[in-house]
Amino acid sequence: GQNIDQPTEMTATEGAIVQINCTYQTSGFNGLFWYQQHAGEAPTFLSYNVLDGLEEKGRFSSFLSRSKGYSYLLLKELQMKDSASYLCAVRPQSGGSYIPTFGRGTSLIVHP
Amino acid sequence: DGGITQSPKYLFRKEGQNVTLSCEQNLNHDAMYWYRQDPGQGLRLIYYSQIVNDFQKGDIAEGYSVSREKKESFPLTVTSAQKNPTAFYLCASKGYGNQPQHFGDGTRLSIL
Repeated sequence: GQNIDQPTEMTATEGAIVQINCTYQTSGFNGLFWYQQHAGEAPTFLSYNVLDGLEEKGRFSSFLSRSKGYSYLLLKELQMKDSASYLCAVRPQSGGSYIPTFGRGTSLIVHP
Repeated sequence: DGGITQSPKYLFRKEGQNVTLSCEQNLNHDAMYWYRQDPGQGLRLIYYSQIVNDFQKGDIAEGYSVSREKKESFPLTVTSAQKNPTAFYLCASKGYGNQPQHFGDGTRLSIL
């Protein structure tokens, strides 16, 4: 089975930095995705980590530690438009069907 | 532009009625998925299809049915057997390998 944990809600101030954590316990692992989802809209892809370390993409960075079953999404220079839900999804071990398991999402509220 | 289209955006169902949600993609993706999202919940997999004329049940398939007669299309029928159909339904597709899923804009289904 697969279990993914994320905080339910976080708040932060415009211009600040926020780190959203994701821990997972899975029977196999072949990568972790982060998606952003604004209310009532489609999730959009942010990042993919399959090896340990930090992946940086503009204001957003994602980190993975496979030995700890841990990832985080780091958002810098927060803007009001970053208020959204952030979904962590784990891809199971390869060799089978590609069916990622999603966490419940972290609702980020950015205030002035 | 390539993408994935869901229709309608809002749908209302009467008690005892079946309704069908449309999902079309022109990304030439083999794999397609249907998810259900409830408030404060992650994405839960209803059905998926890895190739035309083949599909598999996900975690919450009861009360739903699908077909995959064409590569581009993966409609979902919410049957009267689904006792709690009110939710936000998301369709996704995926290309080969480690590519992320692409999501449609969703259909919000409500009971009259």
